[in-house]
Amino acid sequence: GAVVSQHPSWVICKSGTSVKIECRSLDFQATTMFWYRQFPKQSLMLMATSNEGSKATYEQGVEKDKFLINHASLTLSTLTVTSAHPEDSSFYICSARDSNSFRNEQFFGPGTRLTVL
Amino acid sequence: GENVEQHPSTLSVQEGDSAVIKCTYSDSASNYFPWYKQELGKRPQLIIDIRSNVGEKKDQRIAVTLNKTAKHFSLHITETQPEDSAVYFCAASTNAGKSTFGDGTTLTVKP
Repeated sequence: GAVVSQHPSWVICKSGTSVKIECRSLDFQATTMFWYRQFPKQSLMLMATSNEGSKATYEQGVEKDKFLINHASLTLSTLTVTSAHPEDSSFYICSARDSNSFRNEQFFGPGTRLTVL
Repeated sequence: GENVEQHPSTLSVQEGDSAVIKCTYSDSASNYFPWYKQELGKRPQLIIDIRSNVGEKKDQRIAVTLNKTAKHFSLHITETQPEDSAVYFCAASTNAGKSTFGDGTTLTVKP
């Protein structure tokens, strides 16, 4: 089946620093990837839709200047949390759709746990 | 935008009993409805999905029903086992692939 990887799996950083998370589709091409944030005991909240070769589409209430998304290739999207603060601590999960499939199925990465001290 | 409501938020059943989780959605353009199982600290895993042109789908102990007119769909798990204990999420998706998730149901199966 389709595999999506994320790196790093966890990261601890100091307040004010920036953190980059990578999402890769390993065996398929993905023109569209999605970034979610999940707080403890809560649902997945869509942050933005990452589009290869163009600007990301952000959901209402998500600051595009704080959460920078780059989707420079068909297999890689990155999310950079800039000037991270403790309230940004969360589980960040990406997903990707197979561009060559008619199916709507999304394949999820294993997630990145971010802790901001 | 799409709004997905999921009930119940917690569900406890005895091993061997059935479990039913229900979701409603608001956007008539949604045409793909996956169900995910998520264990603590792990990624969501697709367990079954249904498209808007189908009313019911079954895969061994798991089934999903869809009422497009009423905009609701349900997950049915029969002969529950302790390893079915997890958080289950429903979602509604359009052709663009953007998914809206329900708030989740914590299922506990007691041995």
